[in-house]
Parts: sequence; C-alpha cells; structure tokens
Amino acid sequence: QSALTQPPSASGSPGQSVTISCTGTSNDVGGYNYVSWYQQHPGKAPKLMIFEVSKRPSGVPDRFSGSKSGNTASLTVSGLQAEDEADYYCSSYTGSNNSVFGTGTKVTVL
Amino acid sequence: EVQLVESGGGLVQPGGSLRLSCAASGFTVSGYSMNWVRQAPGKGLEWVSVIYSGGTTYYADAVKGRFTISRDSSKNTLYLQVNSLRAEDTAVYYCARGGYNAFHIWGQGTMLTVSS
Repeated sequence: QSALTQPPSASGSPGQSVTISCTGTSNDVGGYNYVSWYQQHPGKAPKLMIFEVSKRPSGVPDRFSGSKSGNTASLTVSGLQAEDEADYYCSSYTGSNNSVFGTGTKVTVL
Repeated sequence: EVQLVESGGGLVQPGGSLRLSCAASGFTVSGYSMNWVRQAPGKGLEWVSVIYSGGTTYYADAVKGRFTISRDSSKNTLYLQVNSLRAEDTAVYYCARGGYNAFHIWGQGTMLTVSS
C-alpha cells in the first residue's frame, strides 16, 4: 500500500487560509468516507483534527475543515494562528482492514 | 481521563526481539479497536497493526509474520511483540485507539532503535 500524496509544505500569514491536499486512489480515499487528518507538533504525538472526511472531534476549532472530491481529500485551516504551525497527515481506510497515511505536510505560519 | 502510556522501547540488535506495551486508563482496551502506528526518525506516520474488539488482528505487509499484536484485559494493556528486527524498524511506536474511521486517542510513543 503506497502512502497517500501530500505537498511537502504549505504556508500562510496569520489570519489567512491554507489548504492541504491528500491524493490517493479509488481503493482508499476515493472509495470510502473514512479520511482523517492529524496535527503533529515537533516531538509530540499526533492529534486527530478531522475524521470521516469532514467531522471535527470535540475541542477542535471550527477553523479546521475537511472535504473530499474523487480521490483527493483536503484540509483547510482558516484564520491561521501561530499555534497551527505543525506537520499535518491525512489517513484513509483501504478496505482490506488496513489504513494508510499521507506523506505529510509542514505548515508554516509566516 | 482517557490515556494511553507506551513503554518497552530500547536499543536492540538486528534479528532481536522486544515487547512493546501500551497501558490504558479511562476505558477498557478490549472494548475498542486498538492500533500501533510508527514513525521513523524524520519521517512520516506508518500504520502497523490493529486488533479489533472481537480479537481479529491485521498487519501491514512490512511487518506481517514478524510482529504480533495482542491485549491483556486483566491488565488493560495492549502489546506489540516485535521479532526478527531490522534497521528499518527503528521508529517511535505509538498506540492509538480507533477503528478504520480514525485514530482518536494517541499515546506519547516509545522509541525502538535497531542497531548493532
């Protein structure tokens, strides 16, 4: 199972929006509404930000939103804040009781 | 409070074995799907294995036949037995609660280094 494809980096100024893409295939992202997104600060464990494409866990700001079109999922962070600077990973169910992660995107707040 | 605490990592020689542990609090391990996810130094996340609440287990191709996931309900602990270790198994190993829809709760991770 190959990793999902994400851009290596993305950036934006405080208050702006940034969108991260996550491209897979019809066997993972395109085949199931089980796409999730994780935020990871340096030296810390990942934190769930979005599940089932667009749902937010309790406590996650509504500045974080998710969507999907075909084989590509997206995470949008609106109203960027300094604490949003982190690595972001997408993940998808693959239909064979496996999961696959994306390659990761480093978000920089300028 | 729901919490996962991993332990058992360390330095192991190639070909060696180790058992990683993940102690849970605030919930019952056997009532949820539990996973191991690893992250090599400076690299991305890689799903390793899952044990469903019913006890069925699945593994990533990279570890199939070498790693075994299990749980002990009396200790409320998840385990990962890692055998025939290779340099490429060097990583931080995280346990995470969640099914195929997402990994909702994560531990802080334990570092496994495979080197001679």
